Amino acid sequence: GAVVSQHPSWVICKSGTSVKIECRSLDFQATTMFWYRQFPKQSLMLMATSNEGSKATYEQGVEKDKFLINHASLTLSTLTVTSAHPEDSSFYICSASWANSYEQYFGPGTRLTVT
Amino acid sequence: DAKTTQPNSMESNEEEPVHLPCNHSTISGTDYIHWYRQLPSQGPEYVIHGLTSNVNNRMASLAIAEDRKSSTLILHRATLRDAAVYYCIPFSSGSARQLTFGSGTQLTVLP
Repeated sequence: GAVVSQHPSWVICKSGTSVKIECRSLDFQATTMFWYRQFPKQSLMLMATSNEGSKATYEQGVEKDKFLINHASLTLSTLTVTSAHPEDSSFYICSASWANSYEQYFGPGTRLTVT
Repeated sequence: DAKTTQPNSMESNEEEPVHLPCNHSTISGTDYIHWYRQLPSQGPEYVIHGLTSNVNNRMASLAIAEDRKSSTLILHRATLRDAAVYYCIPFSSGSARQLTFGSGTQLTVLP
């Protein structure tokens, strides 16, 4: 099946610094990638949808200047959390799909801890 | 988006069948019914999807009510590795193609 990887799997950073998370589709071309956030004991919440070569579409309440998303190629999307604060600590998960696909393929997630 | 209702939790004994219900009474006529599951500390994993007819694959079976207001995911023989949160998600094949996750059902499999 289609494989999606994320890097890093976990990261600890200091408050005020920026962190970049990579999402890669390893064996298919992902025309669309999605970024989710999941707090402990809660469900996944969609943050943004990005189509290759286009600007990301952010969900209501998600600050686009704080969560920078780049989808420059069909196999790579990045999420940069700028000026991270402890409340940004969460499990960040990406998923990818191709045109006309009914399935999304999820990465293993990145656990971000901001101290 | 169509709302879904799932039990918060269910238990099953190992090697017994499990029926996970989902109500989606406001689903539109063209929305598919998708099921994903999330094992602890991992990203979700696609399980199965269907529109009107019952569906089978190597992981599970999906039984869809005739009026499409509910569906049931069937794991034929639960294993310890099936312990996860199971999400039932109406999916529109339109341009957005987004998944909206509800709270899901936490399945516990007892040895």
